[in-house]
Amino acid sequence: DAGVTQSPTHLIKTRGQQVTLRCSPKSGHDTVSWYQQALGQGPQFIFQYYEEEERQRGNFPDRFSGHQFPNYSSELNVNALLLGDSALYLCASSLGRRINYGYTFGSGTRLTVV
Amino acid sequence: AQTVTQSQPEMSVQEAETVTLSCTYDTSENNYYLFWYKQPPSRQMILVIRQEAYKQQNATENRFSVNFQKAAKSFSLKISDSQLGDTAMYFCAFMKHEGNTPLVFGKGTRLSVIA
Repeated sequence: DAGVTQSPTHLIKTRGQQVTLRCSPKSGHDTVSWYQQALGQGPQFIFQYYEEEERQRGNFPDRFSGHQFPNYSSELNVNALLLGDSALYLCASSLGRRINYGYTFGSGTRLTVV
Repeated sequence: AQTVTQSQPEMSVQEAETVTLSCTYDTSENNYYLFWYKQPPSRQMILVIRQEAYKQQNATENRFSVNFQKAAKSFSLKISDSQLGDTAMYFCAFMKHEGNTPLVFGKGTRLSVIA
């Protein structure tokens, strides 16, 4: 049973560029959440997708956007990259509204902005 | 808004010994969930243990147990018989009881198990 897979694992971008990160949820899961984990910090919630719609959003600017596809996979897009966007981006999946049982996380994408 | 505080940035323990990681949180909610996640160098967040606030009994998973003190808003993790594979970052996390709510994480505690 495949867990959450994220691609790419590492990425280096230049300030001002745009980036797309991808996530495939665990088999049977239909909800995808994205978190940003800066170095030495705990993960911060970006947004959550369920039934192809953004359901909740954390305190992140509109430069951060996302999408969920009919197969439940998801993309995170960041426009006009800033140095401060350098972080580990984690994807977490869950089953519908039963997230009280906890999320399943991927291994993340390490984004470095230079 | 909820906050989670982990006051121990780093800890170390000898192999086979017991260690306790601290976590406090602040919330006005009465019903919620608390979690401990482990993040090894592989970076994947792995669920260690889960506690439902309305259950007074402390959760236990093999060598991992929690001390949940609701009135004090404290949720500590005890690791017994520590193993080298327990070396990792440990994050305490809070989640409201209602559906589709995000996790709120602490800043983490780096645990090193020494042979």
